[in-house]
Amino acid sequence: NAGVTQTPKFRVLKTGQSMTLLCAQDMNHEYMYWYRQDPGMGLRLIHYSVGEGTTAKGEVPDGYNVSRLKKQNFLLGLESAAPSQTSVYFCASSYAAEGEAFFGQGTRLTVV
Amino acid sequence: GQNIDQPTEMTATEGAIVQINCTYQTSGFNGLFWYQQHAGEAPTFLSYNVLDGLEEKGRFSSFLSRSKGYSYLLLKELQMKDSASYLCASYSGAGSYQLTFGKGTKLSVIP
Repeated sequence: NAGVTQTPKFRVLKTGQSMTLLCAQDMNHEYMYWYRQDPGMGLRLIHYSVGEGTTAKGEVPDGYNVSRLKKQNFLLGLESAAPSQTSVYFCASSYAAEGEAFFGQGTRLTVV
Repeated sequence: GQNIDQPTEMTATEGAIVQINCTYQTSGFNGLFWYQQHAGEAPTFLSYNVLDGLEEKGRFSSFLSRSKGYSYLLLKELQMKDSASYLCASYSGAGSYQLTFGKGTKLSVIP
């Protein structure tokens, strides 16, 4: 039972490079989310999706793009990485907005 | 707007009871989540309170007072494995999805 799987687990980028983080869930959840977690800041919502083909901005969307072409996958893109995007990124999914969220194991991204 | 406050750190003794408080100011408030996060791991769901009162789940209980904008997580019979960060998050569904997390309370359980 995989739950929510994120790839990659670790990545180092140079400033200006681009990359895509992949999130996959096998629970048939409608809702999917991308968060970033920084020391002393707590979890902050970047973007979310309430169903296949839909995306919406969260609290800190600048510098990121997302796509939800398939219900089970939610991609987070960084077009031009900046050191301020150094963080731990978590993907999560839930059956409903007020339901229990299941988190992936996280991606530790460093931008140098 | 959304604002969540919880203590940064707490220390408690194995076998004891600890209460972690959370205050919130959330427009369009719907409910209050608690998550547990061990160091280097993903958060895991503990509880979701919508109605006022205490909900008990084994050693963990969560309380909500909507009128006071206040919640707490109560951990009984503390075990070393309870050392973790506890995240309070308020949910507002008014207009758009808004789940605002507090900065978390790092609990250290000592022998």
